[in-house]
Amino acid sequence: GAGVSQSPSNKVTEKGKDVELRCDPISGHTALYWYRQSLGQGLEFLIYFQGNSAPDKSGLPSDRFSAERTGGSVSTLTIQRTQQEDSAVYLCASRQGSGQGPHPHFGPGTRLTVT
Amino acid sequence: AQTVTQSQPEMSVQEAETVTLSCTYDTSESDYYLFWYKQPPSRQMILVIRQEAYKQQNATENRFSVNFQKAAKSFSLKISDSQLGDAAMYFCAFLAPSGYSTLTFGKGTMLLVSP
Repeated sequence: GAGVSQSPSNKVTEKGKDVELRCDPISGHTALYWYRQSLGQGLEFLIYFQGNSAPDKSGLPSDRFSAERTGGSVSTLTIQRTQQEDSAVYLCASRQGSGQGPHPHFGPGTRLTVT
Repeated sequence: AQTVTQSQPEMSVQEAETVTLSCTYDTSESDYYLFWYKQPPSRQMILVIRQEAYKQQNATENRFSVNFQKAAKSFSLKISDSQLGDAAMYFCAFLAPSGYSTLTFGKGTMLLVSP
């Protein structure tokens, strides 16, 4: 079946512009995660959605970052007034949910470059 | 909160040899999952192996096996008969499936494989 998809795969934007990154999880997966990975670094947790519960936003680095998940499926990560330090790969993952379930499946990521 | 520690930023191995990557974690949970993910230069995160904490038997997937020591909170990955295609960044990850749980990653180990 289809895996997690993300769009765009690459995005170049000017400093100060807003960007939207999209994640399409695997159908039926109730949990969805966003991570940021700077060049040569590990994965930095941003936000976690689980079903209809309030999202865990504890990883968002500033109020310029926000995310939503519509209809329990597609998620959009928005970065307002982008800064050069926002340049990174943004990874999305989904899994079946709490309790018994398989491993989180990752999308291919969006590489964001802020010039 | 859980923490995952990978103490080896980089490891080297020759083809056909065996290498072990280390991972330790800290948690107060009794039930959880542990994973090893591989991230090649394509940046796609690929699941290598998973371990459920309630299972005493160590997981094995072909040339990949783990040494899971629950009391010591240790979860090392052994790669046997190393191949050039094994060269990648390897991440250890922790997931507590009970309730509302994020996925916590270590900082990663870069594995270099030489002919």
